Amino acid sequence: DVKVTQSSRYLVKRTGEKVFLECVQDMDHENMFWYRQDPGLGLRLIYFSYDVKMKEKGDIPEGYSVSREKKERFSLILESASTNQTSMYLCASSLVGTRSNQPQHFGDGTRLSIL
Amino acid sequence: GDSVTQMEGPVTLSEEAFLTINCTYTATGYPSLFWYVQYPGEGLQLLLKATKADDKGSNKGFEATYRKETTSFHLEKGSVQVSDSAVYFCALRANTNAGKSTFGDGTTLTVKP
Repeated sequence: DVKVTQSSRYLVKRTGEKVFLECVQDMDHENMFWYRQDPGLGLRLIYFSYDVKMKEKGDIPEGYSVSREKKERFSLILESASTNQTSMYLCASSLVGTRSNQPQHFGDGTRLSIL
Repeated sequence: GDSVTQMEGPVTLSEEAFLTINCTYTATGYPSLFWYVQYPGEGLQLLLKATKADDKGSNKGFEATYRKETTSFHLEKGSVQVSDSAVYFCALRANTNAGKSTFGDGTTLTVKP
C-alpha cells in the first residue's frame, strides 16, 4: 500500500531557529508537494518538486526552501522560523502519469508550533 | 487559472440523513476530479475520483458524477454515519499544470447520533 511518512507528528521550535521537516514516500513517485493547512484558508501549496533536484515555487514560498536530493525524500526548510509559520504541514506525492488522473497521496501531517 | 468552489460549511446532519456537498470548478482542458476526506488528526486520503465527463466515482457509499455541462462534481451519500464526520475537499488536476492539483477550501461535516 502507498505510504507517505512525515518525520514528526508534533514539533515545537523557537523563533529564529532553522527547522527541517522531512517527508519520505515509498511509491517511486516523481511528484512531491509541501502544503500548509490553516483554519479557514484550506490547503496552500508551498513548494512542488517534479524530479530529483527540481523544484517549483507554489503559492506561498516566502520564508521556506526545499531540498530533493533523492527521489523518495522531500525536505521543507524554514530558514529562520517565525511565529506566523505555526501551522499544520502536509506532504504529498503523486505519479506524473500520461494523463491527469493520478491522485495525490498524503502523509499524516506535522503540527508545528513556533514559540 | 484553475479554481474549485465548495459549499461552505460547517454542515451538521443527523445519522442516516442524506448528504450533498456541492463542488463546482473552473479549468482549462479536461481535468480529472477528486474528492478527498480528512479525518481528525490525519492527512487527506482519496475518497473517489472521475476522469472524464459523465463518469461516476463511488466509494464507501459516497458518489459523485462529473458533469461537464455544469462544471460540477457534487458529493452525495444516501445515509450518513457518525464515522463520516470529517473534512471533505474537492479537487481537480488538469493536464496542463505539471501534476499540481487545485483544492477547494474544504467542508466540515459533523454527523450527530
